[in-house]
Amino acid sequence: GAVVSQHPSRVICKSGTSVKIECRSLDFQATTMFWYRQFPKKSLMLMATSNEGSKATYEQGVEKDKFLINHASLTLSTLTVTSAHPEDSSFYICSARGSNQPQHFGDGTRLSIL
Amino acid sequence: LAKTTQPISMDSYEGQEVNITCSHNNIATNDYITWYQQFPSQGPRFIIQGYKTKVTNEVASLFIPADRKSSTLSLPRVSLSDTAVYYCLVVDINTNAGKSTFGDGTTLTVKP
Repeated sequence: GAVVSQHPSRVICKSGTSVKIECRSLDFQATTMFWYRQFPKKSLMLMATSNEGSKATYEQGVEKDKFLINHASLTLSTLTVTSAHPEDSSFYICSARGSNQPQHFGDGTRLSIL
Repeated sequence: LAKTTQPISMDSYEGQEVNITCSHNNIATNDYITWYQQFPSQGPRFIIQGYKTKVTNEVASLFIPADRKSSTLSLPRVSLSDTAVYYCLVVDINTNAGKSTFGDGTTLTVKP
C-alpha cells in the first residue's frame, strides 16, 4: 500500500518551455502533498506544501509564479515549471500524506532544460 | 519546526548491525519521528515511524528515549544493497499544516 506515482520520470526540453509534473496517490487519499527539489549530493529542499482544495504554501525564496502548484483532488497534485530555464534543471520529488499517516514519495522527475 | 542532526556518513560491513542516531532537541509534543532511505535518482522510501519507546518492523527498529530528543534507527545485518542515504524526519502528522523539512541525512556505505 501507500503508493505514490510521479510522471514523467524524465523531461528534456528547450528553454522557455513550461513543464507539468503529476503526482498521484494510487491507493490512499492524500490530504497533504509536498514538492521538493534536490540537487546532486544534497538533501531534499522543500518547495511548497499543498492541501486539497487550498492554495499551496510556498517556502521562502520559491517563486509561486514560476512553480505553479495545483492540488485539485485528494489523489492528484501537479507542479508546473513555467517558462523553464537551465537554472531550473533539477530533480523534483513529490510526496503525499494521508490523514495521520507518514509521507510517501514518488520516484522523482529529472528535469533538464537545454 | 524541529531541526534534525545526523552524522554525515557511516561505514559498515556486510552482516553487521548499524545504528544511526538522529538528534531533534526541539521536538514538539505532537511530532512523530520518521526514517527514510534514499538511493540515487529515486524518491525516499519509508522505513519506519514512531512516537516513543521502541518500534520494530520487518526491516528495522526504531528506539526513542523517554525525552524524545533523539532517536536511533537500527538496521540488523546490513547488506551491500543497504548502501544509501538515510534521513530522519520530525513532523506533526496530525495536522494539515505539518510540513516536513529534511536535514542533511546520513550516507551509509556497506562494504563487503
